[in-house]
Amino acid sequence: GAVVSQHPSWVICKSGTSVKIECRSLDFQATTMFWYRQFPKQSLMLMATSNEGSKATYEQGVEKDKFLINHASLTLSTLTVTSAHPEDSSFYICSALAGAGTDTQYFGPGTRLTVL
Amino acid sequence: AQSVTQLGSHVSVSEGALVLLRCNYSSSVPPYLFWYVQYPNQGLQLLLKYTSAATLVKGINGFEAEFKKSETSFHLTKPSAHMRDAAEYFCAVSEPGRRALTFGSGTRLQVQP
Repeated sequence: GAVVSQHPSWVICKSGTSVKIECRSLDFQATTMFWYRQFPKQSLMLMATSNEGSKATYEQGVEKDKFLINHASLTLSTLTVTSAHPEDSSFYICSALAGAGTDTQYFGPGTRLTVL
Repeated sequence: AQSVTQLGSHVSVSEGALVLLRCNYSSSVPPYLFWYVQYPNQGLQLLLKYTSAATLVKGINGFEAEFKKSETSFHLTKPSAHMRDAAEYFCAVSEPGRRALTFGSGTRLQVQP
């Protein structure tokens, strides 16, 4: 149980285009999802907290107009990187909380974004 | 504010040897503590967690960790390393109620045959 998927697993795009990444909880409902980014050989940095039906809460330094997050249902959150640039190339990982009373996050397999 | 320090970005052990990965935390409130493992190009898998119950926590794959409040530590151990344990290990902390995780910088474990 508690499986989180991400799609796509990798994507290559041209500079200036937008890319959407999906995060789904497959066998549970997730009222809260998190988006992290991980640069090569570095740790995960929290970008934003996504709550179903409300606006995402962004961490300091993360541009909310560049990284659009939508959490339209209890099993799906999307991250759209708008007008992507090479510096946005990274590994994006989502996680989900399996219930309101839990503190354990289940992580997706990640999406590798390369912007040319 | 909370933070996590993982001493040693790389640890190398021989197969069958003890594994010790160090983690120290800083938190203004009693924390929840986690260890995750990441294999190449994959997401994170939870190894174990401490959420204010028993201070010695047993996880998957033979790993365990002990919460020591006096030392603000949560070191990860395994008595006997296997080749399949080679991966990146992350210690993380969260404040009860906030849920978002703050990660350490990670420790890459190498297991030599």
